[in-house]
Amino acid sequence: KNEVEQSPQNLTAQEGEFITINCSYSVGISALHWLQQHPGGGIVSLFMLSSGKKKHGRLIATINIQEKHSSLHITASHPRDSAVYICAAPGGGADGLTFGKGTHLIIQP
Amino acid sequence: DAGVIQSPRHEVTEMGQEVTLRCKPISGHDYLFWYRQTMMRGLELLIYFNNNVPIDDSGMPEDRFSAKMPNASFSTLKIQPSEPRDSAVYFCASSFGRAQETQYFGPGTRLLVL
Repeated sequence: KNEVEQSPQNLTAQEGEFITINCSYSVGISALHWLQQHPGGGIVSLFMLSSGKKKHGRLIATINIQEKHSSLHITASHPRDSAVYICAAPGGGADGLTFGKGTHLIIQP
Repeated sequence: DAGVIQSPRHEVTEMGQEVTLRCKPISGHDYLFWYRQTMMRGLELLIYFNNNVPIDDSGMPEDRFSAKMPNASFSTLKIQPSEPRDSAVYFCASSFGRAQETQYFGPGTRLLVL
């Protein structure tokens, strides 16, 4: 089974700050997922990446396959970015995902 | 497409009762996943299906839990008998392809067992 670790668990920042959330996993994978869970509870897939970097608006995700590490960056953070961000990886040969505990992000105006 | 549909959205029941959660995946998706989220354990995979066939149920907590997928557009997760520790949010997700493909989550069913 893949062990997925995230840091930090909680992060409070001021509007406009650059945000970094880190994720590490124990077993080599084909792709890593970043998810966003809104305060209302809904889960949305932000990125799925297997190498390099992906960018969507102010969100950037990077992955280093050799080091088994991924980061999610938010540029020019905004209060509407406040949510729980979760990284997830396939569970060591299976297709279901193993999740990190999530990072609870609060962006203050 | 309406996305992944789950019902009910909220369920309150008493210990010992049977609970059935329902999921309709996105049309054309061949993978369906059931996840559970609690404060203590976060999100966990319970079981997943490929082309209606259960592939991995190692995450199902115990025999009180069962899941079926009688056809490509419908799946159920049943708890019988329910216990207070089953209280959680249960998510269904579907994807086209394997874990390296994007999974689309339903809104979840919030279950409270008294």
